[in-house]
Amino acid sequence: DVKVTQSSRYLVKRTGEKVFLECVQDMDHENMFWYRQDPGLGLRLIYFSYDVKMKEKGDIPEGYSVSREKKERFSLILESASTNQTSMYLCASSLSAGREQFFGPGTRLTVL
Amino acid sequence: SQQGEEDPQALSIQEGENATMNCSYKTSINNLQWYRQNSGRGLVHLILIRSNEREKHSGRLRVTLDTSKKSSSLLITASRAADTASYFCATDAGGYQKVTFGTGTKLQVIP
Repeated sequence: DVKVTQSSRYLVKRTGEKVFLECVQDMDHENMFWYRQDPGLGLRLIYFSYDVKMKEKGDIPEGYSVSREKKERFSLILESASTNQTSMYLCASSLSAGREQFFGPGTRLTVL
Repeated sequence: SQQGEEDPQALSIQEGENATMNCSYKTSINNLQWYRQNSGRGLVHLILIRSNEREKHSGRLRVTLDTSKKSSSLLITASRAADTASYFCATDAGGYQKVTFGTGTKLQVIP
């Protein structure tokens, strides 16, 4: 079974802090994704990566950056956290484009 | 941008009844996927239907796809309390960036 793990289930940070969210998958998947989920808005794609060191912007990349130095790990970085980044963050991976995505358990981030 | 929209937004049924959720989308797709999310958890893939398929089954799940109407439906038969969750459709319009999720249907199955 594919396993996608995220570094924290719950995280509380202060405005202006730099925040790192880490995601690791164990099935050698090419593609990895970061989404945020907010009530009434569904899942919105922040960034995705289709190969090591490759990244593409999703629908809402502003205020975020990503890093993929190794195939199994995809990090989401909030350079200077703001209260409007309080959300549930979901990481996912897939074998290739258009295939089913496997999700991690999510990180609920609160920015005070 | 949100491509898929689920309908209804919320659905409450008795255990044993069937639950039907609909998804409408705007552009041509390669495939459509349905996912389930239990409260506060990650999403779990349920079923994928390709654009050249009209119907697909998996256990108690039945998915239909009507590309002329740009819509899909998910039917859960003989529902159980454990089916209580949010259900999302996701459309793949081709290319890496084009898998987009709808806003979900929240299903409650009352024992």
